[in-house]
Amino acid sequence: NAGVTQTPKFQVLKTGQSMTLQCAQDMNHNSMYWYRQDPGMGLRLIYYSASEGTTDKGEVPNGYNVSRLNKREFSLRLESAAPSQTSVYFCASSEGLKLQGRETQYFGPGTRLLVL
Amino acid sequence: AQTVTQSQPEMSVQEAETVTLSCTYDTSESNYYLFWYKQPPSRQMILVIRQEAYKQQNATENRFSVNFQKAAKSFSLKISDSQLGDTAMYFCAFRPKTGANNLFFGTGTRLTVIP
Repeated sequence: NAGVTQTPKFQVLKTGQSMTLQCAQDMNHNSMYWYRQDPGMGLRLIYYSASEGTTDKGEVPNGYNVSRLNKREFSLRLESAAPSQTSVYFCASSEGLKLQGRETQYFGPGTRLLVL
Repeated sequence: AQTVTQSQPEMSVQEAETVTLSCTYDTSESNYYLFWYKQPPSRQMILVIRQEAYKQQNATENRFSVNFQKAAKSFSLKISDSQLGDTAMYFCAFRPKTGANNLFFGTGTRLTVIP
């Protein structure tokens, strides 16, 4: 049982390049999330998927797109990377649905992204 | 809007001693959940403890306990018998019961346990 996995662990991009961050969970969770963590700040929600087939914007969605490929996988895409997107990105999952926010979110190990 | 404030950027404690990390939050919600997460140098976010706002009893998890004061909107974490492995960033987080399913995080407190 690997929990939440993320790839890659580290990536360097040039301004304007695109890339996709991958996330997968093997806990049969319904809900998945993407956060970013900047120095001196807590994690902020980018997008989330309450259940397979649905996605919604979080606090800081601009410059990102997401795909809930299936129940296990939730990817985050940067179409045209900017230096302001230099950050550490965390994927998380939770049981979701009936538990109405009471459930625990389990986090992946993070992806460190540097945009030059 | 929900905001979470951790006013102690850094703290240190001697091994085996007790330390308390502070957290306050601002919300108009009446029902919600509060969490403390630990982020060691590996960067993985690990749940430490969870409190449901409608429960008056403070949550406890082994050496970790909270002091939840709903009227004051305060949610502090007490770590007893501190161990070297407790060295990490600690984040307080808030989640409303209704609405978007996301956590609102504070800026974190870096805790160092000194041998």
